[in-house]
Amino acid sequence: QVHLVQSGAEVKEPGASVKVSCKASGYTFTDYSMNWVRQAPGQGLEFMGTINPGSGSANHVQKFQGRLTMTRDTSTSTVYMELSSLTSDDTAVYYCARTNQMGVWGQGTTVTVSS
Amino acid sequence: DVVLTQSPLSLPVTLGQPASISCRSSQSLVHSDGNTYLSWFQQRPGQSPRRLIYKVSNRDSGVPDRFSGSGSGTDFTLKISRVEAEDVGVYYCMQCTHWPRTFGPGTKVDIK
Repeated sequence: QVHLVQSGAEVKEPGASVKVSCKASGYTFTDYSMNWVRQAPGQGLEFMGTINPGSGSANHVQKFQGRLTMTRDTSTSTVYMELSSLTSDDTAVYYCARTNQMGVWGQGTTVTVSS
Repeated sequence: DVVLTQSPLSLPVTLGQPASISCRSSQSLVHSDGNTYLSWFQQRPGQSPRRLIYKVSNRDSGVPDRFSGSGSGTDFTLKISRVEAEDVGVYYCMQCTHWPRTFGPGTKVDIK
């Protein structure tokens, strides 16, 4: 059974960085792309970017240019999303979701940016 | 970017009655490979989104057959034939034909 397990909640100060992990199981990790989606409190879903775990290549939405880094570790079947220069606007639940069509989602990681 | 517009944004429904949500795209969602990559997601309160429908009309495993998707080009619809209490939540359409992937604003379904 395909399963995505994300790291725990984080509280960060403005200007800091956060790194969220998403550990995959139940399938061949390198065969399927992984997406990152976030949801601010009471708001809708916002697509952030995609990583190809096989090649390591990643693409992100222009909005996050220079702040978003997506990486992977094939030895542990884990993808990572690192967002830097955090502001209060980055307070959200961050999700990983498998493949372009997002058929499987992680449980979400709450990131709170507050001084 | 492709803009997805959903209507209505709020949908009070009576248990056992049908419900319908529209999703309109600012451009055609037909991919060069011939497929149309329009999906529907359900998000219950406090839960992660769950995909219900992919490629317009394909129901995911375990999704009740009261959910159905239809449409083509730029106009798509999610229908619930008979609403049950467990269907309360927010429903999103999403396209992955074009980069970047985009979501509709969501339709909140609750019981009258």
